[in-house]
Amino acid sequence: AQSVTQLDSQVPVFEEAPVELRCNYSSSVSVYLFWYVQYPNQGLQLLLKYLSGSTLVKGINGFEAEFNKSQTSFHLRKPSVHISDTAEYFCAVTANSGGSNYKLTFGKGTLLTVNP
Amino acid sequence: DAGVIQSPRHEVTEMGQEVTLRCKPISGHNSLFWYRQTMMRGLELLIYFNNNVPIDDSGMPEDRFSAKMPNASFSTLKIQPSEPRDSAVYFCASGRVSYNEQFFGPGTRLTVL
Repeated sequence: AQSVTQLDSQVPVFEEAPVELRCNYSSSVSVYLFWYVQYPNQGLQLLLKYLSGSTLVKGINGFEAEFNKSQTSFHLRKPSVHISDTAEYFCAVTANSGGSNYKLTFGKGTLLTVNP
Repeated sequence: DAGVIQSPRHEVTEMGQEVTLRCKPISGHNSLFWYRQTMMRGLELLIYFNNNVPIDDSGMPEDRFSAKMPNASFSTLKIQPSEPRDSAVYFCASGRVSYNEQFFGPGTRLTVL
């Protein structure tokens, strides 16, 4: 089984500041990793995903994440945030079991609040 | 593309009543997932289907919950009888088998009084 720990439940930052949202995972097998964003009263939207290859993954809205296998981490970063980035961010993991759609395990979420 | 469609968007009911939540996945997708989101427990996978067949229902909390997928374009999640602790936002998501992305619907906010 897999598990995900998002180390910060809330992250307040000022507009145009950089941000990092931390995610660590646990798994006995190789994994695929995802970051989703949830705006108020909406469903989840995929920001980016790591499947294989380059450990630095770029996503939508200027976000990127780096897969670090030795530290079992997949931290999300953005060099300069906007007010519109205020949302809840979820890290998710699934086992790389090949050939079938994937059962995602989500972290508890990090609420990013961007202040003017 | 209309995205994943869920209905109703909000449901308020009284304890003991039957509740049915509905989901229409994205056309062409053959995997469907039901999730529940609460403040206490976060996002939990309840059940998922591949090609209309339930694959894993280990997340269904108890026998009061049941889910069906009679065809590729429709699924229901039923709670009977409902209890106040079932109050949550229920999300449906769809995707393609062997494709690593799930597309989420807007959710149904259920309140059981």
